[in-house]
Amino acid sequence: SAVISQKPSRDICQRGTSLTIQCQVDSQVTMMFWYRQQPGQSLTLIATANQGSEATYESGFVIDKFPISRPNLTFSTLTVSNMSPEDSSIYLCSVVGAEEKLFFGSGTQLSVL
Amino acid sequence: SQQGEEDPQALSIQEGENATMNCSYKTSINNLQWYRQNSGRGLVHLILIRSNEREKHSGRLRVTLDTSKKSSSLLITASRAADTASYFCATAFGGGGNKLTFGTGTQLKVEL
Repeated sequence: SAVISQKPSRDICQRGTSLTIQCQVDSQVTMMFWYRQQPGQSLTLIATANQGSEATYESGFVIDKFPISRPNLTFSTLTVSNMSPEDSSIYLCSVVGAEEKLFFGSGTQLSVL
Repeated sequence: SQQGEEDPQALSIQEGENATMNCSYKTSINNLQWYRQNSGRGLVHLILIRSNEREKHSGRLRVTLDTSKKSSSLLITASRAADTASYFCATAFGGGGNKLTFGTGTQLKVEL
């Protein structure tokens, strides 16, 4: 199993500002995934972060809005840029463990005013 | 979209009863997984069933998979108040690598 430390756990931000979310994994992993969960909704994959290369974004998500860093095999950040109230969501990082199971961080609950 | 649909959206039962949740998906899959989420926090993996399997058990959980109908069900037997959570199915499809597509989720409430 993998233990993922994600922070901040929650934040309230002003429109137009940016927030950087951090994920630290207790073991080296090749891929990390960033998901968004809008209020009352399911999870939607934002991007896959690979160490040493650009993140791969899913349809509807762009690097300018959600820049991702992956400086090493245990750490990644997701920035939510130029925020608007529509960005209010839970953001989750995850990694693949044994037997193709995903392990998740505890999530960042973001509210944008 | 390849997102799965789950039903019911919400389910309320009494402690000790069984809870059944269903998941339907659209494309061929490599495996289907079920996750649990408490109070909008991180998800916890419950069980994985591969496309060549029809049924799997883990403790009080029983999962079935019908690839001809592109559907799966999760049964929680002898439910407890602590089972109150949201449950999501997630599918890994061919060529998708380790990416999972999550279903719409079922909110389960188990009352004392």
